[in-house]
Amino acid sequence: NAGVTQTPKFQVLKTGQSMTLQCAQDMNHEYMSWYRQDPGMGLRLIHYSVGAGITDQGEVPNGYNVSRSTTEDFPLRLLSAAPSQTSVYFCASSPPRLNEQFFGPGTRLTVL
Amino acid sequence: SQKIEQNSEALNIQEGKTATLTCNYTNYSPAYLQWYRQDPGRGPVFLLLIRENEKEKRKERLKVTFDTTLKQSLFHITASQPADSATYLCALGTGNTGKLIFGQGTTLQVKP
Repeated sequence: NAGVTQTPKFQVLKTGQSMTLQCAQDMNHEYMSWYRQDPGMGLRLIHYSVGAGITDQGEVPNGYNVSRSTTEDFPLRLLSAAPSQTSVYFCASSPPRLNEQFFGPGTRLTVL
Repeated sequence: SQKIEQNSEALNIQEGKTATLTCNYTNYSPAYLQWYRQDPGRGPVFLLLIRENEKEKRKERLKVTFDTTLKQSLFHITASQPADSATYLCALGTGNTGKLIFGQGTTLQVKP
């Protein structure tokens, strides 16, 4: 099992550009989440999904879109990047009931 | 609003001693609490989960307590080793949505 994979590892964008952060898991987990981590602020939930076709907002959803067309993939879209979105982004998945989350290695995004 | 607080200052201890990390929360009634370990440049890794009806949980050198009256969890590492040096995150969750709220983390440094 590869676990949770994220691509790219690093990305630099200019203000106003769009991009998609990819996340995939091969553990057949129903639940998937996107977090951002900023210095001194811990992990903040952006969007999450409890299954294919179902998504919901977390604490800081503005500026981000998600979709969940398959169990395996949960991409995060930035439609118009802003410097405030400079952060490290983590994707996580978990099976239902156990609620232990498995995290990917992260994507470090810089918006200039 | 819901708030989770962990020791913001780094905790420095001598090898062999017991490290105790604190997680306090307000305006929240979690069904369970989790602890994660995060090494620099990596995603968090799950350590322990404790439910609201459990007072204490142990796993090898790790012990977690959960006091819903005090709204506090304590995380202990006994016989600490330099390899235990990392940032430790607490996270609170409700229900089975996989939705977690994280604290900002406490950095532990174990000196040989």
